[in-house]
Amino acid sequence: DQQVKQNSPSLSVQEGRISILNCDYTNSMFDYFLWYKKYPAEGPTFLISISSIKDKNEDGRFTVFLNKSAKHLSLHIVPSQPGDSAVYFCAASYGAGSYQLTFGKGTKLSVIP
Amino acid sequence: DGGITQSPKYLFRKEGQNVTLSCEQNLNHDAMYWYRQDPGQGLRLIYYSQIVNDFQKGDIAEGYSVSREKKESFPLTVTSAQKNPTAFYLCASSTRQLTAGNTIYFGEGSWLTVV
Repeated sequence: DQQVKQNSPSLSVQEGRISILNCDYTNSMFDYFLWYKKYPAEGPTFLISISSIKDKNEDGRFTVFLNKSAKHLSLHIVPSQPGDSAVYFCAASYGAGSYQLTFGKGTKLSVIP
Repeated sequence: DGGITQSPKYLFRKEGQNVTLSCEQNLNHDAMYWYRQDPGQGLRLIYYSQIVNDFQKGDIAEGYSVSREKKESFPLTVTSAQKNPTAFYLCASSTRQLTAGNTIYFGEGSWLTVV
């Protein structure tokens, strides 16, 4: 039973355009969400996070939106750059004192110059 | 530099052998984790440790063992009981629980191939 779903395995976007990566979750107890970026054969690096008390968090070119009623979050990258090409993982945590992150399967973003 | 160091980067193991992956952090983090990634899959939690001399099973602990004798170190042993050990293994750490404003940091990963 997959609690965090990234239904698009891959996404291609032209350089300079907006990239939108989507993530759905099924567990309403999740209250903290994170996005990680991963290059091949490297560890994931943290990008941006959002708490369930917010619906938007922005950091430079990256914005995460959270729609709790739809159990959906999205990562917007504007403008997209070739260096953004990587696999992006959505992750969720729940409950005060939790140490566990539940990851989606990832979306491979390709930014075309 | 502060960070998480995993070794070796690449490891080959014969079937039936145990192998230990090393993970060291100098971030002064209390919590440490081991994740496994398979091609086309997300990261799955094997074990985690909140504090020295304590650790908890994750979602896929069978066939693995860990120890946490020092705050800085969290080695993972892949035993011969692990049926499908070939994967990319990631060690991670965090200062405390995963509440807003906190995150976990990953090492560079170790590739284990069973031959």
